[in-house]
Amino acid sequence: QKEVEQNSGPLSVPEGAIASLNCTYSDRGSQSFFWYRQYSGKSPELIMFIYSNGDKEDGRFTAQLNKASQYVSLLIRDSQPSDSATYLCAVESIQGAQKLVFGQGTRLTINP
Amino acid sequence: DVKVTQSSRYLVKRTGEKVFLECVQDMDHENMFWYRQDPGLGLRLIYFSYDVKMKEKGDIPEGYSVSREKKERFSLILESASTNQTSMYLCASSIPGYSYNEQFFGPGTRLTVL
Repeated sequence: QKEVEQNSGPLSVPEGAIASLNCTYSDRGSQSFFWYRQYSGKSPELIMFIYSNGDKEDGRFTAQLNKASQYVSLLIRDSQPSDSATYLCAVESIQGAQKLVFGQGTRLTINP
Repeated sequence: DVKVTQSSRYLVKRTGEKVFLECVQDMDHENMFWYRQDPGLGLRLIYFSYDVKMKEKGDIPEGYSVSREKKERFSLILESASTNQTSMYLCASSIPGYSYNEQFFGPGTRLTVL
């Protein structure tokens, strides 16, 4: 089993709808969780990080963390075509502090 | 703003060549990382460094080595390039404990080995 798993997609969502991206992880002791956005041909950029159970909101983005179920999700409200990108989930590795383990990414397409 | 730069955006090399990929960060970050990214496989850690002259193997170190002689610079070396090392290479840096170890990425180097 991979340490961090994401559905690779593609996930297609109409403009204005809510896009929901999910990620599961295997190390129960993981403490920090990150969502990066990567446009085609570009490098990843951080959207949000979360470390406490529950929801964390930043503008149109909401990260949700459930440590008991070992999943973290990202909701994008009022999706825009500019949100079309690959979204990478990253989890801080408990085996080596300060390392991140990345999922394979979910490709999201927002249809106008 | 944190800036991480990489020496080349695109690089074409021949099998057997020795290849150097350079990464420089300007924010005095202790940690630096080298990843490769391949379709369907996500980012895989090759090597990382917690401090000058310190290095640790990541998940896929075979065929690679690294050098960190100065805090701001982290080099990835392909001793004898092979076609299966054709990939996107991403460098990242972080400060221990800052934003729970958020990593900042460079623009990437797309390496093609012929």
